[in-house]
This record gives sequence, structure tokens and C-alpha cells, in this order.
Amino acid sequence: QLQLQESGPGLVKPSETLSLTCTVSSGSISSSSSYWGWIRQPPGKGLEWIGSIYYSGSTYYNPSLKSRVTISVDTSKSLFSLKMSSVTAADTAVYYCARASSGWYEFDYWGQGTLVTVSS
Amino acid sequence: QSVLTQPPSASGTPGQRVTISCSGSSSNIGSNTVSWYQQLPGTAPKLLIYGNNQRPSGVPDRFSGSKSGTSASLAISGLQSQDEADYYCSAWDDGLNGWVFGGGTKLTVL
Repeated sequence: QLQLQESGPGLVKPSETLSLTCTVSSGSISSSSSYWGWIRQPPGKGLEWIGSIYYSGSTYYNPSLKSRVTISVDTSKSLFSLKMSSVTAADTAVYYCARASSGWYEFDYWGQGTLVTVSS
Repeated sequence: QSVLTQPPSASGTPGQRVTISCSGSSSNIGSNTVSWYQQLPGTAPKLLIYGNNQRPSGVPDRFSGSKSGTSASLAISGLQSQDEADYYCSAWDDGLNGWVFGGGTKLTVL
């Protein structure tokens, strides 16, 4: 059973860069059937897709966040990462990492989520 | 404002059948498959339906999905108290070249 685990600082100052890592275990991060992505959920609000990376390295970003977001993958460490620059209080949210199947494009495996608060 | 439109709330009594709608456009639901997620309070979303109407292993057959044109629906029959949760629809969007979600529907079991 594939497992995903987010890690990173829970508090980030405004204007700084948010950095999170998702470690993948019990499965291959290099699988051609997988997109690895980030989804966030502000407190009391709905889900927002941030971006995803294919095993080949191709990246896909939410147009509303594209200018501030970079997603990368480190296959040697079986992890993928999110960097979001120039954060504001509006970026405060629970951040989930998730795997999407390249077949039906569903997010079938999710991390437990990590709360990131943007505050000085 | 979410790309996919869901009613903010739905409710039913135990044993009833409820449906939750998800409306999109030709670039998402109209040309790609829909998935549904259940989010219990304080937990990560869980895949409920994929490929419009497929259930992952372990999901009860009380949950079913359908799609017609640019709209999709999630039906829950034999409503139980443990079904009280938030439900989200999602699909790939060809125009945005990425995934889109509905705003979520909070289901209350009365």
C-alpha cells in the first residue's frame, strides 16, 4: 500500500518561501502510471490543486499559482517537493501531497496533510 | 470561485438516498472522467469514485457515480450517520492543463 508523508515547517513568515517535502514509501516514485502532486485546503474552505509532476519530470501548475510555485522530484530519495515563494496569509492552509493515476486521473493516495501558517 | 459547481450543503435521514451534483464545462467534465472524494472532519480526503462510476476496493456499493454531458452526480443510498462528511468532485481540465475541484458539499445526516 503506497504511503505518502508530508514534512516541512509549520510556520512561514510573510514574503518568504514555503518549502514542503513528500516522502513516498511502499511504492516506486518512478512509476509511469503516476503523477505526484500538491493540493491545499485553507481553514474551513475547499480543496485547491496547486500542481503536479509526472515521473518524467513534466510539471503542471495551477495558473493562479504558477508564478510562485515550483515542484520537483528526487527519485534517488523517493520524494517530491513544493516551493512556493512570496507567501501571504492567504497561503495559510493544510497542504496535502497526493498521487494521481495516469489512467483515470484520480487522486488515489493522499498524505495526512500538514498545516502551514503564514504569520510574522 | 471553484471551476466545478457543487451545492454547498445536502441532507437526509438514515436510510434515505441522497444525490450531490457537480456541474462543469466541456473542457473538464465534458471531456474527462470525474472522481469523487469523501473528507471526514480532520482527515485527508479519501477517493470514493473514479472514472465517473468506478468504486475503489473497500468502498461500499451504497456509493455510486454517474456522468451526463458536463454534469456528474454522486448518489448515496441507505444513508448512515458515518456518511456525514464533506464531498468533493474533481476532473482534469484540458484548458487549464490541470485538475479542478468543486467547492465541496457538506452532507448532514439528520
